[in-house]
Amino acid sequence: IAGITQAPTSQILAAGRRMTLRCTQDMRHNAMYWYRQDLGLGLRLIHYSNTAGTTGKGEVPDGYSVSRANTDDFPLTLASAVPSQTSVYFCASSVRLRPRPPYNSPLHFGNGTRLTVT
Amino acid sequence: QKEVEQNSGPLSVPEGAIASLNCTYSDRGSQSFFWYRQYSGKSPELIMSIYSNGDKEDGRFTAQLNKASQYVSLLIRDSQPSDSATYLCAVSQRKYNAGNMLTFGGGTRLMVKP
Repeated sequence: IAGITQAPTSQILAAGRRMTLRCTQDMRHNAMYWYRQDLGLGLRLIHYSNTAGTTGKGEVPDGYSVSRANTDDFPLTLASAVPSQTSVYFCASSVRLRPRPPYNSPLHFGNGTRLTVT
Repeated sequence: QKEVEQNSGPLSVPEGAIASLNCTYSDRGSQSFFWYRQYSGKSPELIMSIYSNGDKEDGRFTAQLNKASQYVSLLIRDSQPSDSATYLCAVSQRKYNAGNMLTFGGGTRLMVKP
């Protein structure tokens, strides 16, 4: 079934530990994104990648890093987890941004990773 | 002012009624607008996209866009208890030097009572 797979589904992590959240899509979408969702703050963009080999910082990038070695995979790494990184993390993808309006295709979301940093 | 603003609700409507969800945005250059539905503990799923002024209908859902007023809405006709969820408005904005990215509103929680 085509879509986005995130792993793990949930994780409890001790502060200071390193953690990589995995995201794989099989829709051959060019663009991929990582969002975090917190109560009262909505979905906030952490990092994005418009195409394999390129990445960019979103609204809340501090403490996170990403890589995009190929089209399908877009892992998110917390180098040294802190309690404020407790959140639900969603990976998303879309087809390439269009050069003319309408610029954006819809995002397709994975099922999310619920991360608790203690 | 938030870039994309929604009333957090909850918006409570009786079964069979029309639910009206509203969203305002700050960037006059926005070109793409989306409505997502999110059930508790689940991921957002796309309901509607709209790119031009006016109405767009899909089954019981109608999206309305008014770029001059910077306003987009979602109407749900014949509301069902299964429509109870949080509805997220997403608007494209030019930012991060990367072209148009989607910014999400905080969502409106809809409760449809039998």
